[in-house]
Amino acid sequence: KAGVTQTPRYLIKTRGQQVTLSCSPISGHRSVSWYQQTPGQGLQFLFEYFSETQRNKGNFPGRFSGRQFSNSRSEMNVSTLELGDSALYLCASSDPGQGGVSPLHFGNGTRLTVT
Amino acid sequence: AQSVTQLGSHVSVSEGALVLLRCNYSSSVPPYLFWYVQYPNQGLQLLLKYTSAATLVKGINGFEAEFKKSETSFHLTKPSAHMSDAAEYFCAVTLTGTASKLTFGTGTRLQVTL
Repeated sequence: KAGVTQTPRYLIKTRGQQVTLSCSPISGHRSVSWYQQTPGQGLQFLFEYFSETQRNKGNFPGRFSGRQFSNSRSEMNVSTLELGDSALYLCASSDPGQGGVSPLHFGNGTRLTVT
Repeated sequence: AQSVTQLGSHVSVSEGALVLLRCNYSSSVPPYLFWYVQYPNQGLQLLLKYTSAATLVKGINGFEAEFKKSETSFHLTKPSAHMSDAAEYFCAVTLTGTASKLTFGTGTRLQVTL
């Protein structure tokens, strides 16, 4: 099976712009989670989508939003970019239906730089 | 609320030596615990997970971790370090069964020297 695919790998944006990141989960995985990784704050949970519905949300401002499509692919959007949004954004998928605790499978991330 | 503390942001060992990366958790209920590894310019890869089935958990690449409730610890070990083990290691905890909302530790960078 192909792993979690995130596009693009690198992005450079200017303060005030908006950006959309894409994530294709492992085939059959219906849950997609997003994390932000920065040197200062570490790994922080953004939100989780399951069957096109947001199921969990972290403590991020409303500028951060996401959605999930019927094929489980997900996008996250950040509007009115700030310098502090520069980070590695990681997408992870899981299959809650497999029983037990289903671990996250991460993509290689999108590195966003805001100038 | 749950949290994890990783003692030591940097650990250096010689090739062939024991690897010990420390993780302590804080949780009011039995947690699910994970260790992930991150290589440069890559995402996180699951090493192992604790889900209350057994206190000693064996993972990939020769790593294992032992859940000790009395010490609230879940330390990661490997008997003999290899150069390819150099990476950053993260301990994570969740109280939910799907592990979609993980709380991560701050990470430990492992350096392996000749």
